[in-house]
Amino acid sequence: EAGVAQSPRYKIIEKRQSVAFWCNPISGHATLYWYQQILGQGPKLLIQFQNNGVVDDSQLPKDRFSAERLKGVDSTLKIQPAKLEDSAVYLCASSLGGVTGELFFGEGSRLTVL
Amino acid sequence: AQRVTQPEKLLSVFKGAPVELKCNYSYSGSPELFWYVQYSRQRLQLLLRHISRESIKGFTADLNKGETSFHLKKPFAQEEDSAMYYCALSNSGGSNYKLTFGKGTLLTVNP
Repeated sequence: EAGVAQSPRYKIIEKRQSVAFWCNPISGHATLYWYQQILGQGPKLLIQFQNNGVVDDSQLPKDRFSAERLKGVDSTLKIQPAKLEDSAVYLCASSLGGVTGELFFGEGSRLTVL
Repeated sequence: AQRVTQPEKLLSVFKGAPVELKCNYSYSGSPELFWYVQYSRQRLQLLLRHISRESIKGFTADLNKGETSFHLKKPFAQEEDSAMYYCALSNSGGSNYKLTFGKGTLLTVNP
């Protein structure tokens, strides 16, 4: 079974530039999550989709971050303009939904903002 | 608000020694607790969940609602247990399923 795919794995940009990350969840998984993991901290939920609708984006800095999940499958997370404090690993995860509790994570996209 | 606290950033034990990774939570409802693990160069993955009452790779965790804790234990640590461990709490909100993670504990098992 193919896992959650993310790209790019690494990205280095200068502050005020823009960047986009892509995620392809496990086939059939209705729920998709984007987490931000800053060095030394646990993953923090940015946004959660159920199919192509947003369920929770309360911790998404909407002035610079945006995300979409067209057709309820792939998702992109965009940052524009980037700040130094956005340097982190961006994790995408998917799940079947419901109360199983198991999220399947991608390998993450490591962003460095200079 | 839901919160997960892992008081130890680093934990180092010798092979064969018992290990306990601490996790405390704050949640007003009925919590569901999990342990996720990330081995070196691997993805974050589920280790165990409290509702299953299972033992995975020799690890167990008991939910103590009185102490609001969900400590992870293993009687005899192995070198392959060296990894980053995250305790996580769910809001058990049906389709609005959301996991909140602690900051993690890096476990090192020395030979």
